[in-house]
Amino acid sequence: DVKVTQSSRYLVKRTGEKVFLECVQDMDHENMFWYRQDPGLGLRLIYFSYDVKMKEKGDIPEGYSVSREKKERFSLILESASTNQTSMYLCASSSPGGRSYEQYFGPGTRLTVT
Amino acid sequence: DQQVKQNSPSLSVQEGRISILNCDYTNSMFDYFLWYKKYPAEGPTFLISISSIKDKNEDGRFTVFLNKSAKHLSLHIVPSQPGDSAVYFCAASARETSGSRLTFGEGTQLTVNP
Repeated sequence: DVKVTQSSRYLVKRTGEKVFLECVQDMDHENMFWYRQDPGLGLRLIYFSYDVKMKEKGDIPEGYSVSREKKERFSLILESASTNQTSMYLCASSSPGGRSYEQYFGPGTRLTVT
Repeated sequence: DQQVKQNSPSLSVQEGRISILNCDYTNSMFDYFLWYKKYPAEGPTFLISISSIKDKNEDGRFTVFLNKSAKHLSLHIVPSQPGDSAVYFCAASARETSGSRLTFGEGTQLTVNP
């Protein structure tokens, strides 16, 4: 079974803090993704990576950066957290081969910025 | 610009009856479509998918129908069970997009009443 883990289930940070969200997958997947989920807006893609050290902007990259130094790990960084970044953050991974469109998700991190 | 839309935020059905969840898309380059189910405090899980070369795909109680001319797909659940109560997301992908990225709809909250 594919397993995608996220470092925290719940996180509370203050405005202006630098925040790191970590995601690890154990299936040797090339592709990894970060989304945020907000009521009425669905899942919106922040950044994705299709290889180590490679990254591409998604639909809402402003205020975020990412790091992928190892294949299994994809980090989302909020350089200076703001209240409008309070959200549920979801990490996912997929493999280019076979059913490559199917993404496997972690349990999510509920981030609150006060 | 919402390329994948789920116009019904919520749907309530009786146990044993059919649930029909709808999804519309605008991007004619989309050629693969997926449905995900999400329970509270968990990540989305893959449910069923369909390629644009088909108009129907069935898996047990779940059937997805694709109408390419109308740019519309639907998920049928028969018979509905209380455990099906969750948020359902429609997602789409285009073959030439890098990293196999998905575009998600806003989600529909399905409630199945005993």
